[in-house]
Amino acid sequence: EPEVTQTPSHQVTQMGQEVILRCVPISNHLYFYWYRQILGQKVEFLVSFYNNEISEKSEIFDDQFSVERPDGSNFTLKIRSTKLEDSAMYFCASSDTRWASNQPQHFGDGTRLSIL
Amino acid sequence: AQSVTQPDIHITVSEGASLELRCNYSYGATPYLFWYVQSPGQGLQLLLKYFSGDTLVQGIKGFEAEFKRSQSSFNLRKPSVHWSDAAEYFCAVGARENTGRRALTFGSGTRLQVQP
Repeated sequence: EPEVTQTPSHQVTQMGQEVILRCVPISNHLYFYWYRQILGQKVEFLVSFYNNEISEKSEIFDDQFSVERPDGSNFTLKIRSTKLEDSAMYFCASSDTRWASNQPQHFGDGTRLSIL
Repeated sequence: AQSVTQPDIHITVSEGASLELRCNYSYGATPYLFWYVQSPGQGLQLLLKYFSGDTLVQGIKGFEAEFKRSQSSFNLRKPSVHWSDAAEYFCAVGARENTGRRALTFGSGTRLQVQP
């Protein structure tokens, strides 16, 4: 079964540094999402991306965050100047275009981001 | 805005016993409903989903869930729990066509421990 893959599995970064988290969505999917899960808390939506632009974003997704699909396969989340509170597990998800199936049913294993 | 409540933070059951995890949602209409499971250090795996039709849905690993519109609930059940079921379980809701945010809204999760 096709999978969403995320790299790296664990990223350790100094506070204030930029970090890029990478995702390869399932190849025929066109909607892409980032979620995060702070340790011990619920999974929270950050942003969704379709047709090379952001389609929705949450209040968490401020100017420090950006997303990009630099080529036909990768989907990235950039945090420009990391803060301690950005430490979390970040999940990428993808789904196809039909609304009923457009729920992000396919999640990657996540990238654990640790800010020092 | 849609929201999900999982009243039980932590549940412990004996292996072989039955299980029910509670989920209540708040939404203006009938949403799409999901249960995900997360094993330690792993991503989110879809157990089952409800879109329409039969209110009792079957999922993987012997799990089932029942949608009850009158109670705004979507409780997850398993008749006989296995030690490998120990994990965190998340209920999630997603909007139907053009009625809200495509991305999922998750509950806080229920951590399941299985005693031998």
